[in-house]
Amino acid sequence: DTAVSQTPKYLVTQMGNDKSIKCEQNLGHDTMYWYKQDSKKFLKIMFSYNNKELIINETVPNRFSPKSPDKAHLNLHINSLELGDSAVYFCASSQDQAGPIFGGETQYFGPGTRLLVL
Amino acid sequence: AQTVTQSQPEMSVQEAETVTLSCTYDTSESDYYLFWYKQPPSRQMILVIRQEAYKQQNATENRFSVNFQKAAKSFSLKISDSQLGDAAMYFCAYRNQAGTALIFGKGTTLSVSS
Repeated sequence: DTAVSQTPKYLVTQMGNDKSIKCEQNLGHDTMYWYKQDSKKFLKIMFSYNNKELIINETVPNRFSPKSPDKAHLNLHINSLELGDSAVYFCASSQDQAGPIFGGETQYFGPGTRLLVL
Repeated sequence: AQTVTQSQPEMSVQEAETVTLSCTYDTSESDYYLFWYKQPPSRQMILVIRQEAYKQQNATENRFSVNFQKAAKSFSLKISDSQLGDAAMYFCAYRNQAGTALIFGKGTTLSVSS
């Protein structure tokens, strides 16, 4: 049973296209995230949702729009793709309550989606 | 703003030997969490070990242990009895008590030779 899953795993597309990446978690977590890993392997947060509510929105072009239909799903839609959007995008999830009792601070990652824009 | 620094872009170790990966961080918070994640060539991000800042005892998970020095803001990872399967990129990450996003270092690529 996959805890955090992403589709597709690979995405090759042309500049200017619109694409979506889907993420689902079956861990019962309340918080989900999107991270971007660039060509130098640097990982940076893009968005975070808690119970379908946006709580982190880093400096990301507004061509990127996250959507959370329910707390188990967080999708990422990208409009007008550019060459610089080529990267690996990771979805992650955690409980929203950090602390010694809940141990909710640990984030579990999906397998990543490698996006290549030509 | 919090930052995480991994000063060793690459490290190498022989099988069965011990290696230590360094990580320092900068924060003004007193309560926070530190993590080491492993990313093998499959690119899956795998949690290796975590440490709560309020705990003085260093975390251990089988062959993996940390040396957490809160005053020095240092969080190194020791891998004992290294195995070929340990070859991967290792990321140190920080999360504060209130926030939710992980802040990552730039990673250390570990190679293991037989």
